[in-house]
Amino acid sequence: AQSVAQPEDQVNVAEGNPLTVKCTYSVSGNPYLFWYVQYPNRGLQFLLKYITGDNLVKGSYGFEAEFNKSQTSFHLKKPSALVSDSALYFCAVRDPEYYGNNRLAFGKGNQVVVIP
Amino acid sequence: EAGVAQSPRYKIIEKRQSVAFWCNPISGHATLYWYQQILGQGPKLLIQFQNNGVVDDSQLPKDRFSAERLKGVDSTLKIQPAKLEDSAVYLCASSPEPRLQYFGPGTRLTVL
Repeated sequence: AQSVAQPEDQVNVAEGNPLTVKCTYSVSGNPYLFWYVQYPNRGLQFLLKYITGDNLVKGSYGFEAEFNKSQTSFHLKKPSALVSDSALYFCAVRDPEYYGNNRLAFGKGNQVVVIP
Repeated sequence: EAGVAQSPRYKIIEKRQSVAFWCNPISGHATLYWYQQILGQGPKLLIQFQNNGVVDDSQLPKDRFSAERLKGVDSTLKIQPAKLEDSAVYLCASSPEPRLQYFGPGTRLTVL
């Protein structure tokens, strides 16, 4: 079964410093990987996805993520964090080997706090 | 482009009562999903529709939860009767193709 692990509950970072949110995954085949962000009382917003191709994926709001097959990781990064980046971040994986099902398995989420 | 619409945004009920949530997906999106997000956890898929047919409802507690998408557009999710552990945010999402889902703002349910 597909699954995602986000090992940290909260990530604290000073404004202007690099931000990294960690994610590791488990699937039977080649994964489809996603990052979503959730602001208070809002739905999930899509940030970026990896399907195939370049391991470094660029997404919205200056975020990027690197797919590392050997480490089964898909860490989210931003070179310089903003206070407005404070939110809940979810990593998700879909196993394309599971034909006919687009089910996303989400991690538990990481609360990112950017300190002014 | 209008996003996924959900109503109500908040609902408070007592246990053993019934409740229904409504979702209007983005126009033209054939696939619709209902997720349950319990506080401190990631969203969990309850049911997936392709047009008006159910693709995956393996994680739907069918003794109390039901969902329909009769005309392949809007969808309703019902809980009858509600339990305390049903307190969560219920998210609706739709997608034009398998690799991307757009989420609505969610309905926050509190069961007392």
